[in-house]
Amino acid sequence: EDQVTQSPEALRLQEGESSSLNCSYTVSGLRGLFWYRQDPGKGPEFLFTLYSAGEEKEKERLKATLTKKESFLHITAPKPEDSATYLCAVQAGNNRKLIWGLGTSLAVNP
Amino acid sequence: ETGVTQSPTHLIKTRGQQVTLRCSSQSGHNTVSWYQQALGQGPQFIFQYYREEENGRGNFPPRFSGLQFPNYSSELNVNALELDDSALYLCASSLRRVQNTEAFFGQGTRLTVV
Repeated sequence: EDQVTQSPEALRLQEGESSSLNCSYTVSGLRGLFWYRQDPGKGPEFLFTLYSAGEEKEKERLKATLTKKESFLHITAPKPEDSATYLCAVQAGNNRKLIWGLGTSLAVNP
Repeated sequence: ETGVTQSPTHLIKTRGQQVTLRCSSQSGHNTVSWYQQALGQGPQFIFQYYREEENGRGNFPPRFSGLQFPNYSSELNVNALELDDSALYLCASSLRRVQNTEAFFGQGTRLTVV
């Protein structure tokens, strides 16, 4: 069965303290892995799409990487405004639906 | 701002009632997906519509139904509401013609069933 697992469930960092979030997946025929950011009570906001192992993408303080089994979202020198839930989703096979992880709740203290 | 709009933003219904949620997709997008997100959980796929036809469905009962219109906007209908239907309902639009495109989400409709 296709599955996406995110860790840790929650992470608390001090401002400037870099860290990484993990998204591991077991799917048949990966077509894309997506990272989203979600603020409380709002819809997910698209961050990155990764298609193949070895691919990396960056946006401001965020960098996403992909291997054949997992993806990492690296946060460099985070700021309090980076506090949010970060969701990972995978698209597999010919089905257009996204298989979602439960997310990592990130809190960055000033 | 993604260009995907949902209405209403908040809604309170009584158990047993019916509800219709609406979604206008981003300009140029022909595919709409609906998700249910309970508090503290990831989104759960309900179904997807492409060119006015259902194109995939998650593990939701038939009382969850939908429509897509020629302008690609969409409705989610839920009959015989249950307390567990209380959640954030998310609509996402994408361009199916291009493979592996990201989905853009609306702000969601917060449904509370009492």
